[in-house]
Amino acid sequence: GQNIDQPTEMTATEGAIVQINCTYQTSGFNGLFWYQQHAGEAPTFLSYNVLDGLEEKGRFSSFLSRSKGYSYLLLKELQMKDSASYLCAFPYSSASKIIFGSGTRLSIRP
Amino acid sequence: DTAVSQTPKYLVTQMGNDKSIKCEQNLGHDTMYWYKQDSKKFLKIMFSYNNKELIINETVPNRFSPKSPDKAHLNLHINSLELGDSAVYFCASSHRTGEDGYTFGSGTRLTVV
Repeated sequence: GQNIDQPTEMTATEGAIVQINCTYQTSGFNGLFWYQQHAGEAPTFLSYNVLDGLEEKGRFSSFLSRSKGYSYLLLKELQMKDSASYLCAFPYSSASKIIFGSGTRLSIRP
Repeated sequence: DTAVSQTPKYLVTQMGNDKSIKCEQNLGHDTMYWYKQDSKKFLKIMFSYNNKELIINETVPNRFSPKSPDKAHLNLHINSLELGDSAVYFCASSHRTGEDGYTFGSGTRLTVV
């Protein structure tokens, strides 16, 4: 079957670095997504990893280890606007069906 | 603006009523989706259409009927609404490969009373 595990909540300080972990199980692998969702808003695409390693995009980086079924999202120089839920997700069998984790709610304190 | 737009944003209705939510995308994507996000914030896929054809139906009650008149539109009609249907419904679209991720609409908050 398919399963995604990520922490429910995390808190971090403005200006700091935070790492949000995600472990997953799937019978077929077609990549791993990270999405950001602010309260009351739509999810927005952050990253898509297909190969192992770290991909950096500005303050956000995403890491993938396919052999370990593990990914993390790294957020640097945290800002108050980064307070949001971060959803780990993967396509099941094809990109026509993305399975989302329940999300990690990140709170940034001054 | 290029986007996925869905209407209405809020919908409050009584049990037993029938309602529709409309979705349109002008991104040139060929695949569209409906997702349901419940009170625990779990996003679950309901339907997926590619070029007007249904490709995924995730054991959703047949009170829910999607309709895609063309590849830029995917509407959701719900019959005989129940209390448990209260949720936020998101429309989304993507290219067939999905590698650029999905673009989501702003959501429709449905409250059944």
